[in-house]
Amino acid sequence: DAGVTQSPTHLIKTRGQQVTLRCSPKSGHDTVSWYQQALGQGPQFIFQYYEEEERQRGNFPDRFSGHQFPNYSSELNVNALLLGDSALYLCASSLGQIFLYQETQYFGPGTRLLVL
Amino acid sequence: AQSVTQPDIHITVSEGASLELRCNYSYGATPYLFWYVQSPGQGLQLLLKYFSGDTLVQGIKGFEAEFKRSQSSFNLRKPSVHWSDAAEYFCAVGRLDSSYKLIFGSGTRLLVRP
Repeated sequence: DAGVTQSPTHLIKTRGQQVTLRCSPKSGHDTVSWYQQALGQGPQFIFQYYEEEERQRGNFPDRFSGHQFPNYSSELNVNALLLGDSALYLCASSLGQIFLYQETQYFGPGTRLLVL
Repeated sequence: AQSVTQPDIHITVSEGASLELRCNYSYGATPYLFWYVQSPGQGLQLLLKYFSGDTLVQGIKGFEAEFKRSQSSFNLRKPSVHWSDAAEYFCAVGRLDSSYKLIFGSGTRLLVRP
């Protein structure tokens, strides 16, 4: 049973560019959350997708957008990249409402983004 | 607003010694609490979680944590540390009401002396 997979593993971009990160959830999971982990910090919630809609959003600007496909996979898009966007981007998947049903979020290995 | 504090940035213990990592949270009601571990180049792995019931929670790899409401704490413990436990440990809190996100602490890096 494959866990959460993310691609690419590493990415280097320059300021102003746009980037797309991809996530495939764990088999059977229908909910995908994205987190940003800056160096030396804990992950920060970006947003969550369920049934192809953004269900919850953290304190991130509109430059961060996402999408969920019918097969539950998801993309994170970041426009007009800034140096401060350099971070590890983590995808997590779960089944439904994680707290209501005491479900667990499973995390992928992340995509390391470096903005020069 | 919710917050999670892990007061120790680094902790060094000798192999075989006991371990306690501290976690304090700020939240008005009973939170849902988690401990995750992150090894270099890897994602987060869930060690244990608390939703309700017994305040002493057993997890994987011999870890346990105790929820103490009066102290707003959820400290992680292990009686005997192995060299393979060296990693970064994150405490996280969640809440049911309209929020499906986890709030993470800034992490504690565990170093294990041989």
